[in-house]
Amino acid sequence: EAGVVQSPRYKIIEKKQPVAFWCNPISGHNTLYWYLQNLGQGPELLIRYENEEAVDDSQLPKDRFSAERLKGVDSTLKIQPAELGDSAVYLCASSTGRGQSAGELFFGEGSRLTVL
Amino acid sequence: AQSVTQLGSHVSVSEGALVLLRCNYSSSVPPYLFWYVQYPNQGLQLLLKYTSAATLVKGINGFEAEFKKSETSFHLTKPSAHMSDAAEYFCAVSGYSSASKIIFGSGTRLSIRP
Repeated sequence: EAGVVQSPRYKIIEKKQPVAFWCNPISGHNTLYWYLQNLGQGPELLIRYENEEAVDDSQLPKDRFSAERLKGVDSTLKIQPAELGDSAVYLCASSTGRGQSAGELFFGEGSRLTVL
Repeated sequence: AQSVTQLGSHVSVSEGALVLLRCNYSSSVPPYLFWYVQYPNQGLQLLLKYTSAATLVKGINGFEAEFKKSETSFHLTKPSAHMSDAAEYFCAVSGYSSASKIIFGSGTRLSIRP
């Protein structure tokens, strides 16, 4: 079974440029998460999808960040324009979102963003 | 509201020694508790989880954790450390509902001395 796939693994851009990250979750996983992980810290939730609906985007900085999950499968996270403080690892995770498996997340390897 | 506190951002043990990584939680509802491991340049991987069944939970790679409600703790242990255990470990808490947020601690980096 294929795991969660993210791309690109690494991205270096100059500030004020746009950037996009793509995530393909495990087949059959209805719940998809985007997390932000700063160096030396735990993941922080940006947005959670149930199928194609964003059910929790309270921590997403909507002035510059946007996300979509068309057709309820893969997802894209975009930053426009990027700022120096956006340098971090962006993690995508998926889960079945049901019952005792609700908190059992499967993570991708992450997309490391460096903003110069 | 829920939160997790991991005591010690860095723990170093000798190979073969006991590993103890501490996690205390705060939750207004009965919690689900998790330990995740992150190897360098990789995503997080579930080690074990507590979901209100047995209080002593066994996970992969010889790790286990004990849920102690009276102490609001969920410490992670392994009797004998191996070099391959060197990684970052995250404790996490959520509620029972599938709508519950999963809150991660700040992580503990485990180093193993030869």
